[in-house]
Amino acid sequence: QSVLTQPPSVSGAPGQRVTISCTGSRSNIGAGYDVHWYQQLPGIAPKVLIYGNTNRPSGVPDRFSGFKSGTSASLAITGLQADDEADYYCQSYDSRLSGYVFGTGTKVTVL
Amino acid sequence: QVQLQESGPGLVKASETLSLTCTVSGAYIGAYYWTWVRQPAGKGPEWIGRMYISGTTNYNPSLKSRVTMSADTSKNQLFLKLTSVTAADTAVYYCARWNNFLDSWGQGTLVTVSS
Repeated sequence: QSVLTQPPSVSGAPGQRVTISCTGSRSNIGAGYDVHWYQQLPGIAPKVLIYGNTNRPSGVPDRFSGFKSGTSASLAITGLQADDEADYYCQSYDSRLSGYVFGTGTKVTVL
Repeated sequence: QVQLQESGPGLVKASETLSLTCTVSGAYIGAYYWTWVRQPAGKGPEWIGRMYISGTTNYNPSLKSRVTMSADTSKNQLFLKLTSVTAADTAVYYCARWNNFLDSWGQGTLVTVSS
C-alpha cells in the first residue's frame, strides 16, 4: 500500500481542466522532498511530465502543470485532449521508509 | 539520447532467483544513479532500488533481504537479482536512469513466476 494517495480516476470533456491530487505526509511531501509526475500510456513505460514539483521537461506541453503545498501535490491538465487518456503517478522520497515511493495512480478518462 | 534495454528470462520458477540485465547506450553508467522499478499488472510502479556505481546502493526495505543490484562498467550493463521469488514478484521490470527524477526508462520486461 502506497504512502502517496491519489484518486483512482478523474474524467473530463475535451478542452476541460482536470486536477489530480497526491496526498502524502510529513515523512515525504511534507518533509520537503520533491514530487515528480509520470504519465503512462497502456503497455508503455512511464514518462516524466513534471519534475521537481513544478518543472516541465522539454517537449511536455504547458497544458501540464504541477503544484505542491504542505503534505500534498497536484497535477493539472488544461485543454484536455483525447491522447491525455492514461494513468498518472506521483513520486517522491519517504524518509520513514528510506526509499522512493510512487502514488497509487490515477486513470484519466476523456469523455 | 540514452537508451535502456532490459533482458532476461520471462519465466522463473517459484523459490528460484530472478536475474535481469539492463544494457545502457548513450550514457556511461558510471556517471549516474540507476534504478530498477517493477509494476505488477494493473498496479502502480514499485521502486526496487537505486545504485551509484562507485557509491552506495539503496534498496526498498520490503525487498532488501532478497535484492542485489550490480553493474559491469566495461559492458555498460546493470544487473538485478531477486532471490526466493514467489507469484507476488510477477511484474514488468524496468531499469531507469535517476537524474534527480526518472528521466529515461527501458521498455520493460515481463517476468512471470510459475509454481
